[in-house]
Amino acid sequence: DIQMTQSPSSLSASVGDRLTITCQASQDISNFLSWFQEKPGKAPKLLIYGASNLQTGVPSRFSGSGSATDFSFTISSLQPEDVATYYCQQYDDLPLTFGGGTKVEIK
Amino acid sequence: QVTLRASGPALVKPTETLTLTCAFSGFSLNTRGMCVTWIRQSPGKALEWLTLIDWNDNTYHNTSLRTRLTISKDTSRNQVVLTMTNMDPVDTATYYCTRIKREPRGWYLDYWGQGTLVTVSS
Repeated sequence: DIQMTQSPSSLSASVGDRLTITCQASQDISNFLSWFQEKPGKAPKLLIYGASNLQTGVPSRFSGSGSATDFSFTISSLQPEDVATYYCQQYDDLPLTFGGGTKVEIK
Repeated sequence: QVTLRASGPALVKPTETLTLTCAFSGFSLNTRGMCVTWIRQSPGKALEWLTLIDWNDNTYHNTSLRTRLTISKDTSRNQVVLTMTNMDPVDTATYYCTRIKREPRGWYLDYWGQGTLVTVSS
């Protein structure tokens, strides 16, 4: 199975701050990586696919980069509605595997 | 618009069999490349992929749970059913169904349903 290591597990930042989350795969997954946002009581939402492609309708302050084993996810200017848990997920092979999640809070 | 919704019992007893239904709309499981998968998240733990069924009725299971899982589809009703036998308190989790598109390479997960919380307790 491909292991996904995500960090940090939580972070607190101010509105307007830039924040970055990293995700490392245990083997080369090319660019078959997605980032999801999960808010309490709601279905998780796809934000980024193919490591760097913004899903339709997702604000441009969200971005992703990386390839092979090292990936990052950035919110360029944190907004109050971005409070959520974010997950990376590889879809190169089954079993699909996920990072442990990063809980983002407002300072 | 693609939607999925998982439903089933909120409480099951240890050793019982869990049956969950995923009702979906906005796509057909008869279409080449379309798949539905189940994923769960136990409290405080990472997301765990369980099982998948594709447009051609092929099924794939998490190796560690293979003997306990069955997945089936009813394309006329746009539903996918998951059964998990011999439930244990460690199976307490929120269960999600999701849509996957099978690409030439990769299993692209693009839509999640709202999960359903299942508690295993006597």
